[in-house]
Formats: sequence, C-alpha cells, structure tokens
Amino acid sequence: SQTIHQWPATLVQPVGSPLSLECTVEGTSNPNLYWYRQAAGRGLQLLFYSVGIGQISSEVPQNLSASRPQDRQFILSSKKLLLSDSGFYLCAWGQGWGATNEKLFFGSGTQLSVL
Amino acid sequence: ELKVEQNPLFLSMQEGKNYTIYCNYSTTSDRLYWYRQDPGKSLESLFVLLSNGAVKQEGRLMASLDTKARLSTLHITAAVHDLSATYFCAVDGGSSNTGKLIFGQGTTLQVKP
Repeated sequence: SQTIHQWPATLVQPVGSPLSLECTVEGTSNPNLYWYRQAAGRGLQLLFYSVGIGQISSEVPQNLSASRPQDRQFILSSKKLLLSDSGFYLCAWGQGWGATNEKLFFGSGTQLSVL
Repeated sequence: ELKVEQNPLFLSMQEGKNYTIYCNYSTTSDRLYWYRQDPGKSLESLFVLLSNGAVKQEGRLMASLDTKARLSTLHITAAVHDLSATYFCAVDGGSSNTGKLIFGQGTTLQVKP
C-alpha cells in the first residue's frame, strides 16, 4: 500500500533563516506531488505542483521554492523565511487523474512557526 | 479564477440534530471532493463525487453533487460529538484533471452533547 511521509512535524525558525521540508511517497511510482499551505484558521492554498522529476509548477508568487530530485521525493525550501511564511504545510500525492478513483492523499503536515 | 465557497464557516449544533453544509464553486467541474480535518491533523478523504447527481453516504454523512448548479452538499444526520471537525470541499482547478485541488474555506463543525 502507498504511504506518504512528511517531516519534521513541528518547526520553529527565526525570520531570515532557511527552510527545508521533505516529503516522500512509498508504494507507487510517478505520482503527482503537491505542496499546500494552511494559514491559521484558513483554508488550504496550493503552492506547488509536480508531475515528474524536475517538473515544478508554482501556483502563487511567494518566498518559497520546490524541487523534485527523485520520483517520490518533494522538497519545499526557502532561502530566507518571512513571518508570513508561518502556517501548516501539507504534502500530498495523487495518481490516475481522469480515472474514477483518483483523489489526493495528504501527509501528516508540518507546523511552521516563524518568529 | 476558480473560487470555492462554503457556508456556513462555523456550525455549532446539538447532538441528534440534522444540518447541511453547502459548497458552491464558480466554474464547470464534474468532480468534487470532501475532506475532514481534525485540529492540528492532516486531511482525511471522505467522498469523491464524480458526476452530476452523484450521492454518497458513509455513516451519518451524505454528500451530493449538482454540477449544473455548481453546488455540493454535505448532510449530517443525527450528529454525534465524534463528527466535530473542519470539513473542506474541493474542486479540481486544473484544465485537464490535474489534481490541483482548489479548496473552500472550510466549515468548522462543533457538536455539543
């Protein structure tokens, strides 16, 4: 069965420091991968989307970047964090879009606090 | 730009009561998703609605989709405390079923004993 791992679970970082969040998927190949952010008390905002190694689509302009160095690995990064980068970051994977059973599966999330 | 709007955003109800959460979206789509989120936790898939008129039920929750009205409903029957959570609807925002889900703001449901 497929599983998605996301870490760390909690992160407190000072303003201006770098960021690296990692997500890996097991049990499947060539998944679509996604990074979402949820600000406190808000809905989810799609940040990045990837259909394959090295293929990244940015959905909103921001202080963050994403990379996909391997088929089942998705990394969210920043060179210098801003206060506004605080939030709950969720990685997700999906496959088989257009079929009847597709949906997104979410990781456990990273609560990022930028102070 | 695709917009997904839920109402109400907050719902406090007594156990045993029925209520409906509404999800409206602004562009054509024949797929709609409902997710549940417990505080501080990830999202759990509840329903995938794939066509106009689709209805799915799981326990005390029933979801339906009207693609012509661009409306989905999540009906809660005889609510129990365990249903307290935030519920999100989402629509595929991509032009070709890309899986880029656009989420509503979420409805926080509080079921009181």
